[in-house]
Amino acid sequence: GDSVTQMEGPVTLSEEACLTINCTYTATGYPSLFWYVQYPGEGLQLLLKATKADDKGSNKGFEATYRKETTSFHLEKGSVQVSDSAVYFCALSDRNNNNDMRFGAGTRLTVKP
Amino acid sequence: DAGVIQSPRHEVTEMGQEVTLRCKPISGHDYLFWYRQTMMRGLELLIYFNNNVPIDDSGMPEDRFSAKMPNASFSTLKIQPSEPRDSAVYFCASSSHRVMNYNEQFFGPGTRLTVL
Repeated sequence: GDSVTQMEGPVTLSEEACLTINCTYTATGYPSLFWYVQYPGEGLQLLLKATKADDKGSNKGFEATYRKETTSFHLEKGSVQVSDSAVYFCALSDRNNNNDMRFGAGTRLTVKP
Repeated sequence: DAGVIQSPRHEVTEMGQEVTLRCKPISGHDYLFWYRQTMMRGLELLIYFNNNVPIDDSGMPEDRFSAKMPNASFSTLKIQPSEPRDSAVYFCASSSHRVMNYNEQFFGPGTRLTVL
């Protein structure tokens, strides 16, 4: 079945460092891909999305490109801030599969001043 | 819109007691999901509804867990009897398949359940 594998954490970076969190997927159909972020004590929030191959999702300085050839959707940011400390989840949803969304295990990011 | 609303935000109970978690989805959304999050198992889908009808409950761990959606604006997740291993954060999420061509889910703030 459909699944998502993301880089295990935790990841600790200094402020202004570059971030990459790897995410690869397995799907039989044509999924939409998502990155969700969970700040401490809160629910998950959509960070960015891409609905078809070669689409680039972006928000708050984060970017991810839907790569069908490598089945990947890596999350990147050029300069992280302390406020980016959170848990990041990669997810996919096959619109032909009853709205079922599959989440990765989550990657905890800590940014130190 | 106020977003997905969950209550209570925190629940502490003793083993053997009945626990009821509540969720109000975003108005107009036709899908509702219940998730459980723990450090050991991560985020797990328990059950989801479409137009108030349970579609997939394969993630419900045991018969002690039950979920209902009596109308489009309300759902409950009940644990009876509760056990310490049920301690987790329970999230409700909703989405609209009609409005969007991708299936973004909107999450509530969660209910942190502690079973002593």
